[in-house]
Amino acid sequence: GAVVSQHPSRVICKSGTSVKIECRSLDFQATTMFWYRQFPKQSLMLMATSNEGSKATYEQGVEKDKFLINHASLTLSTLTVTSAHPEDSSFYICSARDHGTGSYEQYFGPGTRLTVT
Amino acid sequence: GQQVMQIPQYQHVQEGEDFTTYCNSSTTLSNIQWYKQRPGGHPVFLIQLVKSGEVKKQKRLTFQFGEAKKNSSLHITATQTTDVGTYFCAGLSISNFGNEKLTFGTGTRLTIIP
Repeated sequence: GAVVSQHPSRVICKSGTSVKIECRSLDFQATTMFWYRQFPKQSLMLMATSNEGSKATYEQGVEKDKFLINHASLTLSTLTVTSAHPEDSSFYICSARDHGTGSYEQYFGPGTRLTVT
Repeated sequence: GQQVMQIPQYQHVQEGEDFTTYCNSSTTLSNIQWYKQRPGGHPVFLIQLVKSGEVKKQKRLTFQFGEAKKNSSLHITATQTTDVGTYFCAGLSISNFGNEKLTFGTGTRLTIIP
């Protein structure tokens, strides 16, 4: 089945620094990738939709200048959390859709746990 | 905006008992998907329902999509310890511009008492 990887799986950074998270589709091309965040014991909240070769579409309330998304190729999307603060600590999960299947199933990466100290 | 609610929030059952979680959307959906997330893990796709009134089965799991395409349910027969996790429904909406968005439900956390 389709596999999506994320790197790093866990990161601790100091307040004010920036962190880049990579999301890769390993065995399929992903025109569209999605970025979610999940707080402990809560549901997944869509942050933005990443489209290859174009600007990401951000959900209401998500700051585009703080959460920079780049989808430069059909297999890689990156999320950069700029000037991170403790309230940005969360579980960030990406997903990708294989448009070749015709299904709307999303394949999720293993997630990145960000802790900002 | 669109909201997807699930009940119950938590469910503790004895091993072997049945389990059901219900999902309700504030808007009509293009399709409904179900995911399972184990503790510490990421969501794993279970199934997708597209047609009004559709029912699908996967071994002990039965999924239903409501006639109005605004609600859904997941029923597990004779639960096993491997069923532990949080079950999320996710409603797919597609805008006039073709933008797709999956809105996750609030989730139901299932724990099994051996």
